[in-house]
Amino acid sequence: EPEVTQTPSHQVTQMGQEVILRCVPISNHLYFYWYRQILGQKVEFLVSFYNNEISEKSEIFDDQFSVERPDGSNFTLKIRSTKLEDSAMYFCASEVAPSSYNEQFFGPGTRLTVL
Amino acid sequence: SQELEQSPQSLIVQEGKNLTINCTSSKTLYGLYWYKQKYGEGLIFLMMLQKGGEEKSHEKITAKLDEKKQQSSLHITASQPSHAGIYLCGGRGSQGNLIFGKGTKLSVKP
Repeated sequence: EPEVTQTPSHQVTQMGQEVILRCVPISNHLYFYWYRQILGQKVEFLVSFYNNEISEKSEIFDDQFSVERPDGSNFTLKIRSTKLEDSAMYFCASEVAPSSYNEQFFGPGTRLTVL
Repeated sequence: SQELEQSPQSLIVQEGKNLTINCTSSKTLYGLYWYKQKYGEGLIFLMMLQKGGEEKSHEKITAKLDEKKQQSSLHITASQPSHAGIYLCGGRGSQGNLIFGKGTKLSVKP
């Protein structure tokens, strides 16, 4: 069964450092998402991406964040200068199209720890 | 903005007992999704419901969406330790993303 993959599974970084989280969406999917979940809190939407550009973003997704699809398979989330409050689980998701009839497939997540 | 409230926040049941988790939306739902999450891990898709009054079952888990499409319930019959985890309901937001409730933590005592 096709699946969304994410690397690394766990990333530890120092405050102020840049991190890049990587995702490989399912190959025939066209819409990609990043969500985050701070420990013990809700899963929150960050950004959606379609046709090589951002479709929508939440207020969490400020200038410190960027997304890119550098090639035909990877989808990345970059945090330019990490803060302590960026520590969270980051999930990538993909789907064929955003419809109530489609499943949104989630990756296993990357746990980011900012020290 | 749309909000999803889940109840209860946590639940401890004896193995073999039935249980129900509820999800209420502040707005009409266009697609209601149930996921299960082991603590600190990824989201496992369980079911999605689209139509008012719809009901779906998989193994011992049944999910329903009410006629007004603002409430959903997840029912587990004869719970087992493998059912333990955090159950999340999610609704489609206007931006295509999913909006999640806070989750219900289920513990099943052997």
